[in-house]
Parts: sequence; structure tokens; C-alpha cells
Amino acid sequence: RKEVEQDPGPFNVPEGATVAFNCTYSNSASQSFFWYRQDCRKEPKLLMSVYSSGNEDGRFTAQLNRASQYISLLIRDSKLSDSATYLCVGGSGGSYIPTFGRGTSLIVHP
Amino acid sequence: EPEVTQTPSHQVTQMGQEVILRCVPISNHLYFYWYRQILGQKVEFLVSFYNNEISEKSEIFDDQFSVERPDGSNFTLKIRSTKLEDSAMYFCASSNRDRSSYEQYFGPGTRLTVT
Repeated sequence: RKEVEQDPGPFNVPEGATVAFNCTYSNSASQSFFWYRQDCRKEPKLLMSVYSSGNEDGRFTAQLNRASQYISLLIRDSKLSDSATYLCVGGSGGSYIPTFGRGTSLIVHP
Repeated sequence: EPEVTQTPSHQVTQMGQEVILRCVPISNHLYFYWYRQILGQKVEFLVSFYNNEISEKSEIFDDQFSVERPDGSNFTLKIRSTKLEDSAMYFCASSNRDRSSYEQYFGPGTRLTVT
């Protein structure tokens, strides 16, 4: 069974902190990876794609490590509004069925 | 900014009844998806749809489920005979890229409660 695993957290950090999440995937043939953000009882929202060369968007940096089969998300200068659950999504090999992780909960406090 | 819409926001039904969940994807998108999320659990893929046919479906998407694009704007999920375990949030999503891309835009969801 192709799985995407995440530490559920919660990660409890003060404003301004830097926090990093990892996500491991079991299917070495996975091609596409994404980070989504989900607020409580809301829909997932695309945060960023994860490219082989890494991807940076403002305070957010995503990286892919194919050798160790994990992707990471780094958030710098955390804001209160960053509090949410961060979902890792991987492509499921040739069938292209997206597999979601259970999510990592982030709580940013004043 | 264009967005995916879903109706109703909350549907309560009795076990054994049929329900139809409706979605209006973003207008220039060509790929459509249904997901479900049982409370407290992860988002699970149900089905993808392109060019008026199913592209992929998961093990969850059995004969009880069907999808349809009855006109140029709506995309529906039908559950023929609901079971208690079908209670979940159902999300519709759309994208304008091919199935290898998961840059998908999700609707706000329909909360289905089966009693």
C-alpha cells in the first residue's frame, strides 16, 4: 500500500520562530509532491508545489529528498495566521492517484 | 478570483437513501475530482474525471458511487444507497493541468450526515 506519513504534531511555536515539517513517502516511483494547508473544518488549499530543485515562496521553502524519500516544509518567521494543518500530498506512481498524509498541526502562539 | 463551489453545504439523509452532491468547478478547468474526509481522518481520493469519463478511481469508489457532468458547468457525485459510514465531508476539486499534477483547487465541501 502506497502511503504518505506525517508527524501529526501539534507543533507549538512562538511567533517569529522557524519550524520545519517532514513527510515520508513509501512509493519510490512517486513523481509529484505538494503541500496543502487545511484550516479547521475547511477545504485544503494549495500552498506550494515541491520540485526536485526545491521551491521557495516568501517565508515558505519546500524541498524533496528522493534518496531518503521525504519532502520537507520550512516556515520562517511564523505568524499567528500560519496556525493550521499542513497536508503532504504525493503522486501514487503510474496511476496518478493522489495520496494525502494525515497532516501536521501547527499552532503559532503570541 | 474564480473558485469551486459546492451545494449543499450540509446534507442530512437516512441510511439507504440516495444523495447527489453538486459542484461547479472553475470554468476553464478540465480535470475534476471528488474526495472525502471522515472527521479527524485524512483526505481520501475517490475519483477523477476528464473528457466526460472517469480517469482514475480508488477502492472506495464502488458501485454505490457515480459521477456525472450533466452540463457544461456542474459536476455531481451520487451515492445510491447511503450507509452510516458514508458520513464525511465531501470535497470537489478541479485543475487545469493534466492528471500528473495535483495543483488542485478545492471547493468548501459538503458535510454529509447519514442517520
